[in-house]
Amino acid sequence: DAGVIQSPRHEVTEMGQEVTLRCKPISGHNSLFWYRQTMMRGLELLIYFNNNVPIDDSGMPEDRFSAKMPNASFSTLKIQPSEPRDSAVYFCASSLSGLAGDSNEQFFGPGTRLTVL
Amino acid sequence: AQSVTQLDSHVSVSEGTPVLLRCNYSSSYSPSLFWYVQHPNKGLQLLLKYTSAATLVKGINGFEAEFKKSETSFHLTKPSAHMSDAAEYFCVVSDRRRDFGNEKLTFGTGTRLTIIP
Repeated sequence: DAGVIQSPRHEVTEMGQEVTLRCKPISGHNSLFWYRQTMMRGLELLIYFNNNVPIDDSGMPEDRFSAKMPNASFSTLKIQPSEPRDSAVYFCASSLSGLAGDSNEQFFGPGTRLTVL
Repeated sequence: AQSVTQLDSHVSVSEGTPVLLRCNYSSSYSPSLFWYVQHPNKGLQLLLKYTSAATLVKGINGFEAEFKKSETSFHLTKPSAHMSDAAEYFCVVSDRRRDFGNEKLTFGTGTRLTIIP
């Protein structure tokens, strides 16, 4: 398996523009997580899905952020409009949760480095 | 509720000397515990995990950790540091209950390991 795939790897945009980050989880995994990492705040969980359904979005900063998972193999995180304080590395992770898995081990993608000018 | 405390934000050791990264956890239920490593500009990689079997867990690259319930600790050790071990290390706790809604991981704030040549 290729692991968790994220695109793009780097994104530079201007304030006010819409940004869409993409993630393909590991095939067969049933949980998907979006994280944000910054120097100031460390690693933060934004939202996670189980079987394509959003379970906990309490980490989403504000209404400018939205996430979807239309099917088991694809998820997006959208920021509209983007602001300079959104600059961070965004990670997607997936896991095999529930009784089918032996733990909640998460497999992380390489991340998308977002810079908002 | 669960939480994890990494007692040192930064650890420096000389190449060839032992490494000790300290972690204490709190969990209302029997936990699963993990150590993840993040090299500069990379994603997070699992080093090792404790679920419920042996309390001494061996991971990749010569690292190991011991689960001590009486001390609520899960310290990470390596007998001899290598230059390639320089990275950020995260201690992570998860609820071991394998049912719906308990998929989240709780991350520590990280320990930056520096290796002195």
